Amino acid sequence: GAVVSQHPSWVICKSGTSVKIECRSLDFQATTMFWYRQFPKQSLMLMATSNEGSKATYEQGVEKDKFLINHASLTLSTLTVTSAHPEDSSFYICSASGGLAVSYNEQFFGPGTRLTVL
Amino acid sequence: DAKTTQPPSMDCAEGRAANLPCNHSTISGNEYVYWYRQIHSQGPQYIIHGLKNNETNEMASLIITEDRKSSTLILPHATLRDTAVYYCIVRVPIVSGTASKLTFGTGTRLQVTL
Repeated sequence: GAVVSQHPSWVICKSGTSVKIECRSLDFQATTMFWYRQFPKQSLMLMATSNEGSKATYEQGVEKDKFLINHASLTLSTLTVTSAHPEDSSFYICSASGGLAVSYNEQFFGPGTRLTVL
Repeated sequence: DAKTTQPPSMDCAEGRAANLPCNHSTISGNEYVYWYRQIHSQGPQYIIHGLKNNETNEMASLIITEDRKSSTLILPHATLRDTAVYYCIVRVPIVSGTASKLTFGTGTRLQVTL
C-alpha cells in the first residue's frame, strides 16, 4: 500500500521556538494532505486540510498564524508550529490522499510526530 | 458526516472473535462506513469499508445491517497485536473531486488478553 512518512518522529524544544514537521508521500502523489493533532487519551482532531499549490483550510479554533502549513509539492507538506508553548505538546499526525476515484482507502496516515515543548 | 456511537472499551481473549459494534442511525444514503484502528503511539491504520453489503478482507469482516443504521467489525481470531483503539467513521469519500476529511470519534479501546 501507499506509504507516508513523517520527520522527525519526536522532537523536544524550548518554549518560544518554532518546530517544523515534514510529511512525505513516498510512492504516490498526494494532492491533498491532512494534519491532525492528538492529545493523550483523546481522539484525533483535524487541524487543517492542505491541497497542493493552494492555501490550507483550517478547522475552527485552529490558529493559522501559529500552525503554518505548506504543501508546495505533490509529495511534501510541512507543518510549522511557531512560538511553541507547553500546551502545544501533542502527537501530530498527517495523512495523504492521491485524489483517486472512489477507492477503499483514500487517506494514508503517517506514523506521527511527538512534540514536547519545555 | 453522520455521528457514530461506539462502546468505550471491550475485552477479548486471544484466538477468539472480536465483535466491535457501531451505531450510525443518521447515516445518509451516500455515506460509507469506514473502520480504522490506532495502535498506541502510531498513526491510524485503515481496516475496511463498505456501503451496504457485507465486506471481508484479510484483516476483518464488516457486517452492515439492512437499514444501515449500525454495523459490526469482526476480527475473526484476535491476537495481542490487535490491541488498539478502533474507530468507526461514516463519510462521503469524495467531495468536489478530492478526498473528504475523516472525523474521528472516541472509538472503542479493544484489549486482547491471553
